[in-house]
Amino acid sequence: QQPVQSPQAVILREGEDAVINCSSSKALYSVHWYRQKHGEAPVFLMILLKGGEQKGHEKISASFNEKKQQSSLYLTASQLSYSGTYFCGTGGTNTGNQFYFGTGTSLTVIP
Amino acid sequence: GAVVSQHPSWVICKSGTSVKIECRSLDFQATTMFWYRQFPKQSLMLMATSNEGSKATYEQGVEKDKFLINHASLTLSTLTVTSAHPEDSSFYICSARTGHGYTFGSGTRLTVV
Repeated sequence: QQPVQSPQAVILREGEDAVINCSSSKALYSVHWYRQKHGEAPVFLMILLKGGEQKGHEKISASFNEKKQQSSLYLTASQLSYSGTYFCGTGGTNTGNQFYFGTGTSLTVIP
Repeated sequence: GAVVSQHPSWVICKSGTSVKIECRSLDFQATTMFWYRQFPKQSLMLMATSNEGSKATYEQGVEKDKFLINHASLTLSTLTVTSAHPEDSSFYICSARTGHGYTFGSGTRLTVV
């Protein structure tokens, strides 16, 4: 049930772009993206429900492919505050309502 | 928006004792709540689903006699870690489904010494 993310970890300099991928062997009802800072609860970033959907807010955007088996999170012109661990997740009808987090991607932005 | 309040934020207990963690939905009714555990540098793993008025359902590999879940009302779910041991030290977090999304509690850091 757990989606697989890549890369596991990434280090980039302030202002650089990053892409985090999330893959599932089965079509997903939905895909959610969260960012977690050390010792804190995950913070919701966005949700995608439809195949082919793309959405974003400021410099963070995401896409959901047509088959609904892959999603990507795009971080543009990264800021120091973007550092943290990013999780995709899936929940909804085809998981019996439970929500499962992906394997996680640690992102570190350095000056 | 929907808020889930989780208490305590952190707890330190002695090995062999039991610890209770509470999650309350403050402005909505949650017939279902989900409990997760997160070890350092790992993902959040779903432990169990608590259902108001009925037994919780546990994910494979999670001991139901060790992690007691009670969901006695539409706004309160509790997780009790019984006879805690140092290997139970972890970050525990609850969530409830709200519309298409999920609202998370702030988490509880459990340290068993």
